[in-house]
Amino acid sequence: EAGVVQSPRYKIIEKKQPVAFWCNPISGHNTLYWYLQNLGQGPELLIRYENEEAVDDSQLPKDRFSAERLKGVDSTLKIQPAELGDSAVYLCASSLDGWANTEAFFGQGTRLTVV
Amino acid sequence: AQKITQTQPGMFVQEKEAVTLDCTYDTSDQSYGLFWYKQPSSGEMIFLIYQGSYDQQNATEGRYSLNFQKARKSANLVISASQLGDSAMYFCAMMGSGNQFYFGTGTSLTVIP
Repeated sequence: EAGVVQSPRYKIIEKKQPVAFWCNPISGHNTLYWYLQNLGQGPELLIRYENEEAVDDSQLPKDRFSAERLKGVDSTLKIQPAELGDSAVYLCASSLDGWANTEAFFGQGTRLTVV
Repeated sequence: AQKITQTQPGMFVQEKEAVTLDCTYDTSDQSYGLFWYKQPSSGEMIFLIYQGSYDQQNATEGRYSLNFQKARKSANLVISASQLGDSAMYFCAMMGSGNQFYFGTGTSLTVIP
């Protein structure tokens, strides 16, 4: 069975440009997470979906970040416009449900560099 | 608020030896889960082991075991018989009532031949 698939793996853009990341979770997983990981740090939650509903987006910078999960499967995360400080790894993860005894499976991430 | 603390930025271990990676946590939740993930240089977070707050026995998965001390709020990862492929970043994480994973800052493990 395929794991969590993210694309692209790497992206370099100039500041003020838009960028989008795509995530395909494991089939049947209802919960989808987007995490931001800065160099030398642990991942930090940006947004969590239960099916197609964003149930926790309190840490998403809504002035420039947006996300969607159409039909409760694939998800996209967009930044517009990108800033130098957005350079980081963006990780997508999915789990069967959002309960505390359920591990999440992560994709390989998208490494964004804003120049 | 929930917090994970990993106090060892870097660790070295001789091949075939055992190593313990420290993790302490802070939460007011009664029910929570503790997880360890491995992140090699490729970037993917690989799930290693899980411990539930009500589990009476320490979790084990192959060469990985979790030394869970609830009263001390610690969940240390023990890797036995270290292999060169174990060299990676290791993250401790917790999930409680907020239904999101809180991660520590990670420990970089280097296995020396």
